[in-house]
Amino acid sequence: AQKITQTQPGMFVQEKEAVTLDCTYDTSDQSYGLFWYKQPSSGEMIFLIYQGSYDEQNATEGRYSLNFQKARKSANLVISASQLGDSAMYFCAMRFSNSGYALNFGKGTSLLVTP
Amino acid sequence: NAGVTQTPKFQVLKTGQSMTLQCAQDMNHEYMSWYRQDPGMGLRLIHYSVGAGITDQGEVPNGYNVSRSTTEDFPLRLLSAAPSQTSVYFCASSASFTLSTNYGYTFGSGTRLTVV
Repeated sequence: AQKITQTQPGMFVQEKEAVTLDCTYDTSDQSYGLFWYKQPSSGEMIFLIYQGSYDEQNATEGRYSLNFQKARKSANLVISASQLGDSAMYFCAMRFSNSGYALNFGKGTSLLVTP
Repeated sequence: NAGVTQTPKFQVLKTGQSMTLQCAQDMNHEYMSWYRQDPGMGLRLIHYSVGAGITDQGEVPNGYNVSRSTTEDFPLRLLSAAPSQTSVYFCASSASFTLSTNYGYTFGSGTRLTVV
């Protein structure tokens, strides 16, 4: 069975500092996709970054980067130069070939950025 | 605006009532899915569809039905509402993809359902 684990229920980071949000996964599939989503207090789900299992380079999108370690089955999100607006819930998710390519989510990490 | 439209945004039901949560997308996406979000649980997959006429169960399908008669619409039906179905419901859609392409899911804005 596929499983996504986010071990940090809550994280604090000071403004302008970098923060790493952890995500590990368990799958026997060779082909899969990894996603990170942000959910601010307003409730919408905002796509941040994607990594395919065959991608050799770590994905980057602006201040977001994904530290992908395939052998360790981890896909940590790194946010550089944190901003107050980064305070939100962050979800790691995977897309598997079963379940019609729908997303399987971790339980999330609540990030609070302090001045 | 292109995207995923969910209606209603808020709903209060009495135990035993039935209702349909609507989800429509105008991006010609093949893949659609329904999730429920409960505190501390993340988003859990209820049902999904890989195209018109094709649906299947996700992780938590009990008490819910779906159909996909058109590419655009993917309604979620609560057959007999229970307090355990109090949750926030999200619909999402995605284009077909390959693993090297960056096709995430587009989410609707959610429906907050309370069953009393």
